[in-house]
Amino acid sequence: KAGVTQTPRYLIKTRGQQVTLSCSPISGHRSVSWYQQTPGQGLQFLFEYFSETQRNKGNFPGRFSGRQFSNSRSEMNVSTLELGDSALYLCASSLVGRGTTNEKLFFGSGTQLSVL
Amino acid sequence: DAKTTQPPSMDCAEGRAANLPCNHSTISGNEYVYWYRQIHSQGPQYIIHGLKNNETNEMASLIITEDRKSSTLILPHATLRDTAVYYCIVVQKAAGNKLTFGGGTRVLVKP
Repeated sequence: KAGVTQTPRYLIKTRGQQVTLSCSPISGHRSVSWYQQTPGQGLQFLFEYFSETQRNKGNFPGRFSGRQFSNSRSEMNVSTLELGDSALYLCASSLVGRGTTNEKLFFGSGTQLSVL
Repeated sequence: DAKTTQPPSMDCAEGRAANLPCNHSTISGNEYVYWYRQIHSQGPQYIIHGLKNNETNEMASLIITEDRKSSTLILPHATLRDTAVYYCIVVQKAAGNKLTFGGGTRVLVKP
C-alpha cells in the first residue's frame, strides 16, 4: 500500500506570493491533517479534514486554508506569504480520525517551503 | 491535552537497550499515550501507543506506570537507524488527530 504522498517536495517562493501544497492520503484513509514544523516552534497542528469538511483547526491566521476532495486528497493554501511561513509542511492521514484514540497517524515526508 | 515532559537529548550505545522516559502527570483517564519518532528530513513515524497496560510491538515496548503519570519507551536493541527525535504525546479522544507535539527527546545511537 502506498504511503502518504506530498507534492512538491521542495518549493521556493517570494514574500507576498501564494502557494498550494498537495497531499494524497493512504488509500482508504478519510482523515487528512496538516502540520507545520519550524525550528523555533516545532510541530504545530494546522487543520484536519474529513469527508471534505474541516472539523478541527489550530491557531493559525486565515492566510492558511485547506480543502479536501471527494477522493480524500487534500490541498492547503497559504496566501500572502511571509518570511516566517518558511517551514516543513507535513500531511498525515488516518482512517477516521475522530472519536477514537486507537488510530495511528501516517505522515508524509513533507513539503519544504522557503520564502525569500 | 495533557502536557508531557521529556529529556531534551540522550545517547545510547548501539546494540544496547534505549529507555526513553516521559512524564505526563496531568493525564486524565481517557487519554492515551502515543510515541512517534522523526528521523531527519522525514515525517514522524508512529511507534506505539497505550492506555494503561504495557504494550509491545515489533519496534518497541511501552511501560506505563500504575498511576499513569509517566511512561517509558524501550527500544530493546538500538541500531544506528534509531537515531531520531522521539515524541511522547498524550491524546484525548475528543481531540481526534489534533496532536500536540512537545520538544521530544533527541536520541543519538553511537557505534
